[in-house]
Amino acid sequence: QVQLQESGPGLVKPSQTLSLTCTVSGGSISSGNYYWNWIRQPAGKGLEWIGRIYTSGSTNYNPSLKSRVTISVDTSKIQFSLMLSSVTAADTAMYYCARYGDYGPGAFDIWGQGTMVTVSS
Amino acid sequence: QSALTQPASVSGSPGQSITISCTGTSSDVGSYNLVSWYQQHPGKAPKLMIYEVTKRPSGVSNRFSGSKSGNTASLTISGLQAEDEADYYCCSFAGSSTFVVFGGGTKLTVL
Repeated sequence: QVQLQESGPGLVKPSQTLSLTCTVSGGSISSGNYYWNWIRQPAGKGLEWIGRIYTSGSTNYNPSLKSRVTISVDTSKIQFSLMLSSVTAADTAMYYCARYGDYGPGAFDIWGQGTMVTVSS
Repeated sequence: QSALTQPASVSGSPGQSITISCTGTSSDVGSYNLVSWYQQHPGKAPKLMIYEVTKRPSGVSNRFSGSKSGNTASLTISGLQAEDEADYYCCSFAGSSTFVVFGGGTKLTVL
């Protein structure tokens, strides 16, 4: 059973870069036809897709965040990462990593537990 | 403001049925049969309940069903149980550029 676990700093200063890692266990990040995603959720609000990466390294990003987002994959470490630059208070949210592939585009069947990131000086 | 519109809240008594609507546009819900629904309990990650409008992943109760008409998708929960009380989010594929958009979420209260 594949499991995902997010990790990274819980507090980031405004204008700095947010960096998070998602570690995949119970399976290989490079096998199968899967896409690895980052999704965030501000407290009390809805979900927002940030971006995705395929095991080949190809990426797609939310157009509203594209200029600030980089997602990368390290298959040897069974991890993929998120970098979000020039953060502001509006980037304060719970950040989830998630997988889709078995049930079609946008059907995220496996999620990490989430990691809370607060942007504050 | 979320791309897909959901009612903020719905409620029902145990044993009853409820329906949650999810209204998009001809660029997302109306163009693709790729609507999914998620259940989220407080402090937990979302759980996939419905994919491709009507299909259930293995392990999801058949009390959960999905449908779509035009630009509006719906999630119906029959035989409401206390454990169904949660937030529900819809999600739709929106093309190769935008990829997916989510609804703002609906809080289901089981009275």
